[in-house]
Amino acid sequence: GAGVSQSPSNKVTEKGKDVELRCDPISGHTALYWYRQRLGQGLEFLIYFQGNSAPDKSGLPSDRFSAERTGESVSTLTIQRTQQEDSAVYLCASSSGLATETQYFGPGTRLLVL
Amino acid sequence: AQTVTQSQPEMSVQEAETVTLSCTYDTSESDYYLFWYKQPPSRQMILVIRQEAYKQQNATENRFSVNFQKAAKSFSLKISDSQLGDAAMYFCAYRSAGANSKLTFGKGITLSVRP
Repeated sequence: GAGVSQSPSNKVTEKGKDVELRCDPISGHTALYWYRQRLGQGLEFLIYFQGNSAPDKSGLPSDRFSAERTGESVSTLTIQRTQQEDSAVYLCASSSGLATETQYFGPGTRLLVL
Repeated sequence: AQTVTQSQPEMSVQEAETVTLSCTYDTSESDYYLFWYKQPPSRQMILVIRQEAYKQQNATENRFSVNFQKAAKSFSLKISDSQLGDAAMYFCAYRSAGANSKLTFGKGITLSVRP
């Protein structure tokens, strides 16, 4: 079936504005992850959803960052009052939720805060 | 906390030759998974190969193989018969075997392939 999709592909915003990034996981995948990739760096974990369990928010860098997921479907990552240091690629991944699962990644959203 | 280290920022290989990308990690856990992901300019993270820590046999996927040294906490990727399409960033990643299975990534290495 279709892979993980993300929108928008690119987003340019002004400092102080709020942005919403969207992730559509692979159908049937119960686990969903958000990661951030700063220029020239590896991926940093942000948040993890697994089914109806409480999300693991331990990677969120500040209270300006939040994410929601409705059931086992779409997730949105919201960044409020964006700062220039928020500029990065935001990647979403999903997996089946089984212990041996592999995470499959979307193409990411490149966010530029001016 | 687990850490993953990729100390080589860049490598270059001649087409059709073999190249090895290095990765070390630090963990106190005994059961975990290790991965190599490829990220071309399209940004799409593509799984290249995975290794379960409890398996002694090194994983292989066509031209890609790993040298997993559990005691040394080393996990290198060997690419044989390099092709132009192998040019990309390669990330080594670690995941615990427990319930919260977030990936911990190294900083990546940029591989270029010379024609």
